[in-house]
Amino acid sequence: NAGVTQTPKFQVLKTGQSMTLQCAQDMNHNSMYWYRQDPGMGLRLIYYSASEGTTDKGEVPNGYNVSRLNKREFSLRLESAAPSQTSVYFCAAGDSLYEQYFGPGTRLTVT
Amino acid sequence: DQQVKQNSPSLSVQEGRISILNCDYTNSMFDYFLWYKKYPAEGPTFLISISSIKDKNEDGRFTVFLNKSAKHLSLHIVPSQPGDSAVYFCAASVGGSYNNNDMRFGAGTRLTVKP
Repeated sequence: NAGVTQTPKFQVLKTGQSMTLQCAQDMNHNSMYWYRQDPGMGLRLIYYSASEGTTDKGEVPNGYNVSRLNKREFSLRLESAAPSQTSVYFCAAGDSLYEQYFGPGTRLTVT
Repeated sequence: DQQVKQNSPSLSVQEGRISILNCDYTNSMFDYFLWYKKYPAEGPTFLISISSIKDKNEDGRFTVFLNKSAKHLSLHIVPSQPGDSAVYFCAASVGGSYNNNDMRFGAGTRLTVKP
């Protein structure tokens, strides 16, 4: 039982490159989330998916797209990476605030 | 506009003593508050929560206090243990414990418990 897994763990991109962060959960939760964490700031919600086939914007969605491929998987895509997107990205799954399980994070650097 | 603030980036306490982590918020519509704990290279994990209808919630060594009039909450850890050394995030939400879509996090406080 892995919980929430994220790949890759680390990534370095050049400005303008694209990439997809992968997230998968094995807990059968309906809701999944993508957050970013920047130094000196709390986690901020980028996008969420309340159920398979639905996605909605969070607090900071600009520059990102998401896909809820099925109930298990929720991916985050950067189409044209910018230095401002350097951050640690966390995926989470859970259907209530106190039952939200986070993955280990992806540390992304855009140069 | 940071609606949830943790003004102390770090806190150091001796093992066995009390740790008090503080959090202030500005949005009076928040009605559910949580504390998460995060170890290095791991995602945050849920620690304890409190609804705005209560002013205290206790779970073992962890107690959260809510002062709605001051828009302030605090996490007390008694007694503190070296394994409690981590970053603690305060979070708040509008719409109760099932609204995951508008949760706001503080920047975190790094707690170090010295043996």
